Amino acid sequence: QKEVEQDPGPLSVPEGAIVSLNCTYSNSAFQYFMWYRQYSRKGPELLMYTYSSGNKEDGRFTAQVDKSSKYISLFIRDSQPSDSATYLCAMSVTGNTPLVFGKGTRLSVIA
Amino acid sequence: DTAVSQTPKYLVTQMGNDKSIKCEQNLGHDTMYWYKQDSKKFLKIMFSYNNKELIINETVPNRFSPKSPDKAHLNLHINSLELGDSAVYFCASRTGTGRTEAFFGQGTRLTVV
Repeated sequence: QKEVEQDPGPLSVPEGAIVSLNCTYSNSAFQYFMWYRQYSRKGPELLMYTYSSGNKEDGRFTAQVDKSSKYISLFIRDSQPSDSATYLCAMSVTGNTPLVFGKGTRLSVIA
Repeated sequence: DTAVSQTPKYLVTQMGNDKSIKCEQNLGHDTMYWYKQDSKKFLKIMFSYNNKELIINETVPNRFSPKSPDKAHLNLHINSLELGDSAVYFCASRTGTGRTEAFFGQGTRLTVV
């Protein structure tokens, strides 16, 4: 079993849809959770950061962490064509141990 | 004002050559990383440096060597390049305390021919 599992997609949705992306993980010691967006031929760009369990909202984005289920989610409301990218979940045990990434989900938002 | 910058952005070289990729961060972070992204977009940790001390080396061939002249820089030197080394290499930095997001550079696309 891989340490972090993420459905690679591709996922295609119409503009304005609510998008749900998720990851599961096996290491219960993970405490720091992040979501990155990566456009083609660019570096990963941090979208959301969460420590431990709970929800966090930033504009159209909401991140959820359920440590009891070892499951994290990213919701995108009112999706836009500019949201078309690969979304990567990442997590770490401490604040300076390396991030372990999922394989990324490729999202296309169709106008 | 780029937080994490890498040079060069593209690197094409022949098998057997030695090359270096440079990384600099102006965030004052204590920890820096090198990641390799393969053709399937999977990001895998190669090295982690905390206060100039190597703390993790994830079974990377010893042809790869990180060098950190100071806390703001972590360079990657690769000897005897092989075809399988072709990938995108990302540098990242992180503070290690408090709000510990990791920030990535724009990547170096290495092609070995």
